[in-house]
Amino acid sequence: NAGVTQTPKFQVLKTGQSMTLQCAQDMNHEYMSWYRQDPGMGLRLIHYSVGAGITDQGEVPNGYNVSRSTTEDFPLRLLSAAPSQTSVYFCASSQGGGYTFGSGTRLTVV
Amino acid sequence: GNSVTQMEGPVTLSEEAFLTINCTYTATGYPSLFWYVQYPGEGLQLLLKATKADDKGSNKGFEATYRKETTSFHLEKGSVQVSDSAVYFCALISNSGGYQKVTFGTGTKLQVIP
Repeated sequence: NAGVTQTPKFQVLKTGQSMTLQCAQDMNHEYMSWYRQDPGMGLRLIHYSVGAGITDQGEVPNGYNVSRSTTEDFPLRLLSAAPSQTSVYFCASSQGGGYTFGSGTRLTVV
Repeated sequence: GNSVTQMEGPVTLSEEAFLTINCTYTATGYPSLFWYVQYPGEGLQLLLKATKADDKGSNKGFEATYRKETTSFHLEKGSVQVSDSAVYFCALISNSGGYQKVTFGTGTKLQVIP
């Protein structure tokens, strides 16, 4: 059972570039979410989805887009990368309480 | 809104010492409470949980009791090991508008030295 799979594990982008962080889960969970983790700030919610076709903004959505066409996949798109988006990104899924996290994507924007 | 407050780290302990990491929360209704652990270079893993007042969650020698009267969920372990070195996150999950909403604390880094 793979759980939550994130790719890539590491990425370096130049300012202004776009990219998509992939997240897939095989547990048939309805709820999926994206967080960024920065030193001293804990986890901050970027976007979340309560099911296929339904997404909503979290605490820090600016500069990011999401879509949820299937239950399994929840990609996060950076439209025009900025140095302030340098962070570690975690995808998580949940059903009925308790969250399962992916292993993270470490993104550096130069 | 909901909030979770954890003691600031890092916490440095010698092996076999007693561990307490404080966590208090503010929430409406009856949230479920969780402790997650993050080892270096990895994602968060569920350590233990409690879903109602006076419940005690336990796992791998760690314990935490849901105290509604003090709105607390302190994490304890009687004898820490070097392998317990990690960042620990307290979290609560509440239902909001029919959906789950999770709130994390900022994390407490634990360093255990031999």
